[in-house]
Amino acid sequence: AQSVTQLGSHVSVSEGALVLLRCNYSSSVPPYLFWYVQYPNQGLQLLLKYTSAATLVKGINGFEAEFKKSETSFHLTKPSAHMSDAAEYFCAVILGAGNQCSFGTGTRLTLIP
Amino acid sequence: ETGVTQSPTHLIKTRGQQVTLRCSSQSGHNTVSWYQQALGQGPQFIFQYYREEENGRGNFPPRFSGLQFPNYSSELNVNALELDDSALYLCASSPRGRTGTEAFFGQGTRLTVV
Repeated sequence: AQSVTQLGSHVSVSEGALVLLRCNYSSSVPPYLFWYVQYPNQGLQLLLKYTSAATLVKGINGFEAEFKKSETSFHLTKPSAHMSDAAEYFCAVILGAGNQCSFGTGTRLTLIP
Repeated sequence: ETGVTQSPTHLIKTRGQQVTLRCSSQSGHNTVSWYQQALGQGPQFIFQYYREEENGRGNFPPRFSGLQFPNYSSELNVNALELDDSALYLCASSPRGRTGTEAFFGQGTRLTVV
């Protein structure tokens, strides 16, 4: 069964520093992968998605992620963190033709002023 | 374009009671999925509805049931509530199409069972 694992439940970075949030997937077929962001008391907002068109995917708010098949990874990065990036981030993989998702356990990003 | 809306936003119920949560899908979206997000966890897939029929189900007991209406809106019903049912319930809609289409989420309903 397809699944994702997020390494690090909490990540703290200084404003202006590089953000790196890790996600590894387990899939027997080429996966469809997503990164979502959740702000407090809100639903999930799509940051970006991988659908095999390109290995480097650019998303909203300056985020990007690189699909690496050899490492079964889809890590999320942002060159320079902003205070508004403080949120919970979820990696997800499509389960089947109905596009249901299996989510990771999330990484809480905290910004240090 | 109207996004996904859920009601109510917050709800408190007593153990053993029944609850109904509602979701209006985004305009043009005919597929609705429900997720349960316990505190500090990622969302867990409950089930999906397409053309008013259940189209996939996660590892949830039968006391979790749902409906989809002709206008694509949906309800999630939970019977015999347990304390562990306390969670944020998220509704997501998507257009039926190619695999890999992303879902759009509502703001969720926070259910507290006491």
